Amino acid sequence: EPEVTQTPSHQVTQMGQEVILRCVPISNHLYFYWYRQILGQKVEFLVSFYNNEISEKSEIFDDQFSVERPDGSNFTLKIRSTKLEDSAMYFCASSEGWDPRSSPLHFGNGTRLTVT
Amino acid sequence: GENVEQHPSTLSVQEGDSAVIKCTYSDSASNYFPWYKQELGKGPQLIIDIRSNVGEKKDQRIAVTLNKTAKHFSLHITETQPEDSAVYFCAAPSQAGTALIFGKGTTLSVSS
Repeated sequence: EPEVTQTPSHQVTQMGQEVILRCVPISNHLYFYWYRQILGQKVEFLVSFYNNEISEKSEIFDDQFSVERPDGSNFTLKIRSTKLEDSAMYFCASSEGWDPRSSPLHFGNGTRLTVT
Repeated sequence: GENVEQHPSTLSVQEGDSAVIKCTYSDSASNYFPWYKQELGKGPQLIIDIRSNVGEKKDQRIAVTLNKTAKHFSLHITETQPEDSAVYFCAAPSQAGTALIFGKGTTLSVSS
């Protein structure tokens, strides 16, 4: 079964540094998402992306965050200047269509980001 | 925007017992309610969902019920097994409908 692949599985970075998290969505999917999960807490929506544009973003997704689809397969999340509170598990997801009722979200296994 | 509340945060049951997890939502226009299971070290996986035009849906040992008037929906797992142990999340569509908003999760532990 096709999977969403995320790399790396664990990233350690120093406060203030830029970090890029990478995802390869399922190949025929057109809609892409980033979520984060602070340890032991709920899965929080960050951003949805379609046709090279942000469709929707949460208030967490401020100017420090950006997303990009640099080529036909990768979908990236960049954090420009990391803060300690950015430490979390970041999940990428993809779906065939925009409506989750007909196109369920498929999640990757996540990248654990640790900011020291 | 949508707000999803989930209870309980932890639930411990004996193998063979039933488990019930409850969620409430705030946006009366929401019309789709999925449940995800997250095993250790993995991303959430969809296990069942329900649309607002039905009140109940069942898939083997798992069922979901929806009360639109009260704006709450529940996950029911019968004859629980140790492999049901995981974190379960309910969700509802975001305001724009292009993403899902998750509850805080319920850690289910099934002991044999």
